[in-house]
Amino acid sequence: GAGVSQSPRYKVAKRGQDVALRCDPISGHVSLFWYQQALGQGPEFLTYFQNEAQLDKSGLPSDRFFAERPEGSVSTLKIQRTQQEDSAVYLCASSPLGETQYFGPGTRLLVL
Amino acid sequence: SQKIEQNSEALNIQEGKTATLTCNYTNYSPAYLQWYRQDPGRGPVFLLLIRENEKEKRKERLKVTFDTTLKQSLFHITASQPADSATYLCALVFSGGYNKLIFGAGTRLAVHP
Repeated sequence: GAGVSQSPRYKVAKRGQDVALRCDPISGHVSLFWYQQALGQGPEFLTYFQNEAQLDKSGLPSDRFFAERPEGSVSTLKIQRTQQEDSAVYLCASSPLGETQYFGPGTRLLVL
Repeated sequence: SQKIEQNSEALNIQEGKTATLTCNYTNYSPAYLQWYRQDPGRGPVFLLLIRENEKEKRKERLKVTFDTTLKQSLFHITASQPADSATYLCALVFSGGYNKLIFGAGTRLAVHP
């Protein structure tokens, strides 16, 4: 079956631009997570959804970051007024309320 | 704050040998610990989970141990193959945390023929 998909795979933005990153989780998965992975580091938690409810957004680095999952399926991570320090790989993972998370391939964001 | 340490240097081993990767953590013990594999340009892939009350778990050529006294997990790959070359990430989950993963930086393993 289809895994977690993310789009776009690569995004180049000029500093100050807004970007939107999309995540299509595995069908039926209740939990959805966003992580940020800097080069040479492990992923860092950003936010968590259970269905459409955003239950934890403690990892979002600033109020320029916003995530939504309005119908409990597809999720979008939006970054406003991008800065160079936002350059990273953004990973989405879904889970059927269990312990194993299934990751997408990530979106590589480069802010120039 | 919680700190997770994995060997920062790459581990180079000969095909057929056993690779051993280390994950150390400070402060609080997690409810459980997971190991993931990550290949370049891809997302992490789940390998094994071990709970705080378990000492050892095995799956095919993989074995993970968990010592809550030492605050350490060891991850072993026996009879290693070049296809095992990847970055291996350890991740901790604490109870009450929505199963959110707290990752180490990962250790890169290179298995040479």
